[in-house]
Amino acid sequence: GAVVSQHPSRVICKSGTSVKIECRSLDFQATTMFWYRQFPKQSLMLMATSNEGSKATYEQGVEKDKFLINHASLTLSTLTVTSAHPEDSSFYICSASAIEAFFGQGTRLTVV
Amino acid sequence: AQSVAQPEDQVNVAEGNPLTVKCTYSVSGNPYLFWYVQYPNRGLQFLLKYITGDNLVKGSYGFEAEFNKSQTSFHLKKPSALVSDSALYFCAVRAYGNNRLAFGKGNQVVVIP
Repeated sequence: GAVVSQHPSRVICKSGTSVKIECRSLDFQATTMFWYRQFPKQSLMLMATSNEGSKATYEQGVEKDKFLINHASLTLSTLTVTSAHPEDSSFYICSASAIEAFFGQGTRLTVV
Repeated sequence: AQSVAQPEDQVNVAEGNPLTVKCTYSVSGNPYLFWYVQYPNRGLQFLLKYITGDNLVKGSYGFEAEFNKSQTSFHLKKPSALVSDSALYFCAVRAYGNNRLAFGKGNQVVVIP
């Protein structure tokens, strides 16, 4: 199956700093990618839809200035958590779709 | 609107016994249905999908699922569970033409040796 690579797998940062997470589709072109957030033992919560060459579409309640998304090429989308706070600590997962969605390995973000 | 219900929180099964994880869905139009498995601190791994054709679909690791249109269900099954099948399982649906997935809440499967 197709491969989506997400990096880093885990990151610890200080409050107030920014963290960038990369999501790459390795063997197919993805005009659309999705960013999710997952809380422990819960389902995935869609944060935003990343569109190649245009602005991302954010879900209600997700701050677009807080979670910056860039989709500059057909194989790369990035999520930057700006001015991170401890409440941003979570598991972030990206996906890219053919017919089925393929998911990155996830990023465990811990803000201290 | 599209949605998925996974009614159970946890499914416990003895190793070697059949495993069933339930899923019902709601969607306008023809559904695309999926099952994913998630291990701790990992992304979701694709198991199988139903798009069209045979109602019984076979997927990875010996899993299969049956699409039942009248009951709007897509239950995941495995004839003989392994301890290594212990994980979190998600059912997902999207309508034809919609690239956004709706996920169920997930089911924790525990296979007891």
